[in-house]
Amino acid sequence: AQSVAQPEDQVNVAEGNPLTVKCTYSVSGNPYLFWYVQYPNRGLQFLLKYITGDNLVKGSYGFEAEFNKSQTSFHLKKPSALVSDSALYFCAVRDNSGGYQKVTFGTGTKLQVIP
Amino acid sequence: EAQVTQNPRYLITVTGKKLTVTCSQNMNHEYMSWYRQDPGLGLRQIYYSMNVEVTDKGDVPEGYKVSRKEKRNFPLILESPSPNQTSLYFCASRPQGAGYEQYFGPGTRLTVT
Repeated sequence: AQSVAQPEDQVNVAEGNPLTVKCTYSVSGNPYLFWYVQYPNRGLQFLLKYITGDNLVKGSYGFEAEFNKSQTSFHLKKPSALVSDSALYFCAVRDNSGGYQKVTFGTGTKLQVIP
Repeated sequence: EAQVTQNPRYLITVTGKKLTVTCSQNMNHEYMSWYRQDPGLGLRQIYYSMNVEVTDKGDVPEGYKVSRKEKRNFPLILESPSPNQTSLYFCASRPQGAGYEQYFGPGTRLTVT
């Protein structure tokens, strides 16, 4: 079975400071990893993904994430937070072995950027 | 504009009254999926479909039905809704191939009294 953990329900960061939203995963094969963002009263929007290759992945709105296989982590980062980054962030994993098609989402982390 | 649409956006109903939430995508995606979002539980997959007439259960399928008669549409059916199905529902689609990201609809907020 695959699983995703987002250990922090909420992360508070001052505007202009770097931010990190944590994600760890568990799969039996190799992972496909995704980050999505949800703004209030909206659906989820794709931010970035790791499929293969370079462990540092860059995505939309200046976000990036680092795939760490030994620590089974895929933390989301941004060098300088904006108030407009305040939203709910979801990490998701899919096992890429054997045609497995289910995707598992984490419970979400609310990011609050304080002006 | 490429999009996933859901209707209705808001629905209040009573226990036992059958309802259908529609989902449609205009991107010719093979894969479609339904999720429910609950506080503290994140998104949980209800059903997914790999293509027309091919559907499979997700993690929380009990109390739900789906059908995929056309590639663009993937309705979610609640034959006899119960209060524990009060939730925020999202439809999503993506191309064939597990490495693609999903495109999500705007959500349907369902309240069952």
